[in-house]
Amino acid sequence: DGGITQSPKYLFRKEGQNVTLSCEQNLNHDAMYWYRQDPGQGLRLIYYSQIVNDFQKGDIAEGYSVSREKKESFPLTVTSAQKNPTAFYLCASSSSGRLNEQFFGPGTRLTVL
Amino acid sequence: AQSVTQLGSHVSVSEGALVLLRCNYSSSVPPYLFWYVQYPNQGLQLLLKYTTGATLVKGINGFEAEFKKSETSFHLTKPSAHMSDAAEYFCAVTLNSGYSTLTFGKGTMLLVSP
Repeated sequence: DGGITQSPKYLFRKEGQNVTLSCEQNLNHDAMYWYRQDPGQGLRLIYYSQIVNDFQKGDIAEGYSVSREKKESFPLTVTSAQKNPTAFYLCASSSSGRLNEQFFGPGTRLTVL
Repeated sequence: AQSVTQLGSHVSVSEGALVLLRCNYSSSVPPYLFWYVQYPNQGLQLLLKYTTGATLVKGINGFEAEFKKSETSFHLTKPSAHMSDAAEYFCAVTLNSGYSTLTFGKGTMLLVSP
């Protein structure tokens, strides 16, 4: 079945550590996105990529980094520079010809201890 | 730039009652509008979308929404609520011009009581 997978589902890290969240899609979509979700805040865009080896900052990119070496993969690194990293992280993808209809993964809940 | 406002962070209805979730948008060019649903600890699922053409859009699970340009609204409705409709609902907008990312509202939690 086609879809988006995110791993792990739950992630714990200590303050000062970098952590990488995985996102893989087999939908053959060109574009991929990372969102952060906090209670009552909706979804806020961290980074997005329209094509391999290219990506753009979203609204809240500070303290995060990404790479897009393969079409199927768009990992997100939460660095120690992110002041408040505890949140629910959602990855999404879309085909460039489908009017921005985005398909979402199941999410990763990150908790900083 | 575009923005979305969802009125009411929580809406409570009884099973069988009408569901109305409100969404107003701001956009400098014709918008594309979406409603997504999120069940606890899961990703988002598309309910319905408006791009062009018919302003009344039907989606999955009996939901529908009407695009009203004069009111800059895209409210989500369902004639009869079911317990399984309890979830968080997000309205989102993107521009009908070039490449534009989605901007989401803050969400409305729908609570359904027996």
